[in-house]
Amino acid sequence: SQQGEEDPQALSIQEGENATMNCSYKTSINNLQWYRQNSGRGLVHLILIRSNEREKHSGRLRVTLDTSKKSSSLLITASRAADTASYFCATDDPGGSQGNLIFGKGTKLSVKP
Amino acid sequence: KAGVTQTPRYLIKTRGQQVTLSCSPISGHRSVSWYQQTPGQGLQFLFEYFSETQRNKGNFPGRFSGRQFSNSRSEMNVSTLELGDSALYLCASSFSTGTYNEQFFGPGTRLTVL
Repeated sequence: SQQGEEDPQALSIQEGENATMNCSYKTSINNLQWYRQNSGRGLVHLILIRSNEREKHSGRLRVTLDTSKKSSSLLITASRAADTASYFCATDDPGGSQGNLIFGKGTKLSVKP
Repeated sequence: KAGVTQTPRYLIKTRGQQVTLSCSPISGHRSVSWYQQTPGQGLQFLFEYFSETQRNKGNFPGRFSGRQFSNSRSEMNVSTLELGDSALYLCASSFSTGTYNEQFFGPGTRLTVL
């Protein structure tokens, strides 16, 4: 079953602009992770944020987590054409093992040069 | 450190055949999870292995099975292939020693069933 839902489904921006993607989930979580996938390839881990954290930064990435609203956002600043990819949020399954991630359907980001 | 590797990268099979996919985790990682990705259903959890034991299983028919070896390498098998099994199969590994476990994914195996 789907836990996370990303919004928007697709996003098209110009190079240099910021891109914001949102993720909502349904049940309580221990952590939330963001992944990037380039056109049918494997997933690249971007960042993990714990349930007791509110914000985390990694390079041009900024992730926020609001457990009261069961939502997270991923901000990519000063976007580049190479950021063109699909972005997924994934939550752990509190009722399952640690190895079971539940993914949303993703946001397809297109950055035009 | 070498990343997660999956073999083969591409596979074409016909309905009714069976297939075995292989995954080698990052050195030191003991947990291996498998996921199926299709355009319609997205990324769905198949199963997870830890120390050669299946720790969790997703909602897939019994035609999908897996195993893990003592060196943490894992294989998944799909028997009696159906057209709907065409998908990208991804495996991921993690240390799995605590609550906050990053999973690292391999490049995937693209399976096409004709």
